[in-house]
Amino acid sequence: EVQLVESGGGVVQPGGSLRLSCAVSGFTFNDHYMDWVRQTPGKGLEWVGRSRNKAYNYLTSYAASVEGRFTISRDDSRNSLYLQMNSLKIEDTAVYFCTRCSVGDGYNPYWGQGILVTVSS
Amino acid sequence: DIAVTQSPDSLAVSLGERATINCKTSQSVLSGRNNKNYLAWYQKKPGQPPKLLIFWASARESGVPDRFTGGGSGTDFTLTISSLQAEDVADYYCQQYFNVPITFGQGTRLEIK
Repeated sequence: EVQLVESGGGVVQPGGSLRLSCAVSGFTFNDHYMDWVRQTPGKGLEWVGRSRNKAYNYLTSYAASVEGRFTISRDDSRNSLYLQMNSLKIEDTAVYFCTRCSVGDGYNPYWGQGILVTVSS
Repeated sequence: DIAVTQSPDSLAVSLGERATINCKTSQSVLSGRNNKNYLAWYQKKPGQPPKLLIFWASARESGVPDRFTGGGSGTDFTLTISSLQAEDVADYYCQQYFNVPITFGQGTRLEIK
């Protein structure tokens, strides 16, 4: 059974940093693209970024709204995905979801439960 | 970037009636390489993660009731719920995965009339 469990959320001041983790199980981690997606309060879904699989050298891509501030990494030995968030802004307040992409494609069949990040002074 | 626009923003339908949500992309998401539309639909309920309903514009995810149907091609797509059930009350999002950045529509809130 595929499982994705996020951790590391919380409250942080504007300009601060936070690192989210996503522990995965039930599949071969390095075979799959992984995305982070967020939902801001009362609003819709926003794709944050992607880590491709080992075959694509774990190449990353980001939404323009987080490019240069957020970094996605992964540790295959720990079956874990990370989202390092720096220079946080109030508008980054959201529930962040870790997702696994379909094999070879880019839609998202598997999602974690989500973790809340609140940026507030 | 490919912009994705859904209509309507909200929709109220009677139980047992048909609900249709539209999704339009700013450029075609139909691949000439494999003749597939890179378009998915998700259902989102409060406090839950999004649930994949439809991928490749019309392929139903395993376990999704057959009252959910996806259609369309190129830039115009639809999600149809043939006979609305109470448990279908949710927000619905379409997503293009033709290229990055991946983009979602703004969502459609479906309620019972």
